[in-house]
Amino acid sequence: QKEVEQDPGPLSVPEGAIVSLNCTYSNSAFQYFMWYRQYSRKGPELLMYTYSSGNKEDGRFTAQVDKSSKYISLFIRDSQPSDSATYLCAMSGYTGGFKTIFGAGTRLFVKA
Amino acid sequence: GAGVSQTPSNKVTEKGKYVELRCDPISGHTALYWYRQSLGQGPEFLIYFQGTGAADDSGLPNDRFFAVRPEGSVSTLKIQRTERGDSAVYLCASSFGQGEGNEQFFGPGTRLTVL
Repeated sequence: QKEVEQDPGPLSVPEGAIVSLNCTYSNSAFQYFMWYRQYSRKGPELLMYTYSSGNKEDGRFTAQVDKSSKYISLFIRDSQPSDSATYLCAMSGYTGGFKTIFGAGTRLFVKA
Repeated sequence: GAGVSQTPSNKVTEKGKYVELRCDPISGHTALYWYRQSLGQGPEFLIYFQGTGAADDSGLPNDRFFAVRPEGSVSTLKIQRTERGDSAVYLCASSFGQGEGNEQFFGPGTRLTVL
């Protein structure tokens, strides 16, 4: 079993839809939870960062962390064609080192 | 200011050859990371430097892989006796401080193809 599980999709939605992206994890030592967006042939860029459990909102994006269920989510409201990209969840914590573990990424297509 | 840069952007080599991949981090960033990303997968951690020293190299797959950061800035990932399975995008990232809780800024990656 992978430490971080993420459905690779692809996920296709119409413009304006609410998008829900999710990851599950197995290591309870993870404390920092992140969502990255990656466009084709580019490096990932950080979208949202949450420490421990709770919600965080930034514009059209909301990140949720439920440590009791080992489940994290990213919601995108009023999705736009420019949101079409791969979304990677990532997490870190002291697990004998400081490495960040990424999910496989979910490919999102927002149709105009 | 300039972001993380990586050279070359593409590298094609033959099985068994030696390659070096270079990363120039953002100026002032003390932490530097190397990842490998295969098609359809997320980045896989390889090694993390804090300053000149490797703080965590547990992700290096075997002794054919080695990375250095001699002056605490530019880093080079070195792969000996390349194999076809080494083909991937190699990503470098840097952050202002130590790994946890510090945003990692990624470069565009070097696409390595081993024929």
